[in-house]
Amino acid sequence: EVQLVESGGGLVQPGGSLRLSCAASGFTFSSYEMNWVRQAPGKGLEWVSYISSSGSTIYYADSVKGRFTISRDNAKNSLYLQMNSLRAEDTAVYYCASNVLWGQGTLVTVSS
Amino acid sequence: VIWMTQSPSLLSASTGDRVTISCRMSQGISSYLAWYQQKPGKAPELLIYAASTLQSGVPSRFSGSGSGTDFTLTISCLQSEDFATYYCQQYYSFPRTFGQGTKVEIK
Repeated sequence: EVQLVESGGGLVQPGGSLRLSCAASGFTFSSYEMNWVRQAPGKGLEWVSYISSSGSTIYYADSVKGRFTISRDNAKNSLYLQMNSLRAEDTAVYYCASNVLWGQGTLVTVSS
Repeated sequence: VIWMTQSPSLLSASTGDRVTISCRMSQGISSYLAWYQQKPGKAPELLIYAASTLQSGVPSRFSGSGSGTDFTLTISCLQSEDFATYYCQQYYSFPRTFGQGTKVEIK
């Protein structure tokens, strides 16, 4: 089955860190560009970060630049998002997404 | 940054209606536009890419048009399963940006 499955979300205090993972299966992960997109509770979609298929090209939204790091391991069919210096406004469901397929999302809650 | 204005934000319609959602860009993006459907508690699903190409498996009552700065998503005959929120997204440049969303609700 073609799917993306995120994990690693949870409750973290402001200033804390969290690492999200996204496991891909059913397709040739190494051929696909990937993104992280988030959605705050009751809000719209916000693009967070992009990584090329090889990992050589990376972009970030200004809102996370310098705090978040995207990476991938094509041998493990996995995408990651290291999130540091978390803020309350980072609270959201985080989705990993290729051009055509999205995961089910993982909830990150930043609160004391 | 390419800003997107999606309208309306809320659309009340009945089953069988023809509905149209608009997405306007702050600058030209050729045809690098996608439309997504999102139902409550679910991940977005791709409906249309390249402004007018229907994703595999998407019903033909969905169609997209436009290029440059003005784009439209049309649902020709609204079905019960189409009540959802719809987003446009440009992938012409970084940062990628999404429209604010259009919630299609039952009238």
